[in-house]
Amino acid sequence: DGGITQSPKYLFRKEGQNVTLSCEQNLNHDAMYWYRQDPGQGLRLIYYSQIVNDFQKGDIAEGYSVSREKKESFPLTVTSAQKNPTAFYLCASTKDRANTGELFFGEGSRLTVL
Amino acid sequence: RKEVEQDPGPFNVPEGATVAFNCTYSNSASQSFFWYRQDCRKEPKLLMSVYSSGNEDGRFTAQLNRASQYISLLIRDSKLSDSATYLCVVWGTNAGKSTFGDGTTLTVKP
Repeated sequence: DGGITQSPKYLFRKEGQNVTLSCEQNLNHDAMYWYRQDPGQGLRLIYYSQIVNDFQKGDIAEGYSVSREKKESFPLTVTSAQKNPTAFYLCASTKDRANTGELFFGEGSRLTVL
Repeated sequence: RKEVEQDPGPFNVPEGATVAFNCTYSNSASQSFFWYRQDCRKEPKLLMSVYSSGNEDGRFTAQLNRASQYISLLIRDSKLSDSATYLCVVWGTNAGKSTFGDGTTLTVKP
């Protein structure tokens, strides 16, 4: 079955540590996205990528980094510079670069900083 | 002012009720609009696309009013299983930039 796989589902990290969240898709979609969701709020865009080896900052990119070396993969690194990293992180994709269509989501990664 | 604003919740309704949510957006050039459903601690899932002509899927009807810059979602004959958070999503003119509302929580009670 095609879809988006995020790992790990749950992650605990100590303050000051970097952590990388994995996102893999086998939908052959061009564009991929990372969102953050805090309790009681909607999703906020962190980074997005429309093609391989290219990505753009979203609304809340500070303290995060991404790479897009392969079409299928779009990992997100939460760095120690991110002041409040505890959140639910969602990876998504859209079929084409027009980016006006349906977002397909992974099941999310829940990060807790201890 | 937020780019996308939704009716504050929560909405608590009895089974069988009709309930409507609105979502306003500030960018008049916004291109496309969607409603997503999110269950507790799960990922959002597409509920409906929203078109100017309106669209209906069973008990659900979505409308777009470009002149007043809002979209709406109407749920008829509410079921217990409709209990969830409903998120509106607006795609702007910048390719890749989508903006989510904060969501409206619906609880349907027996």
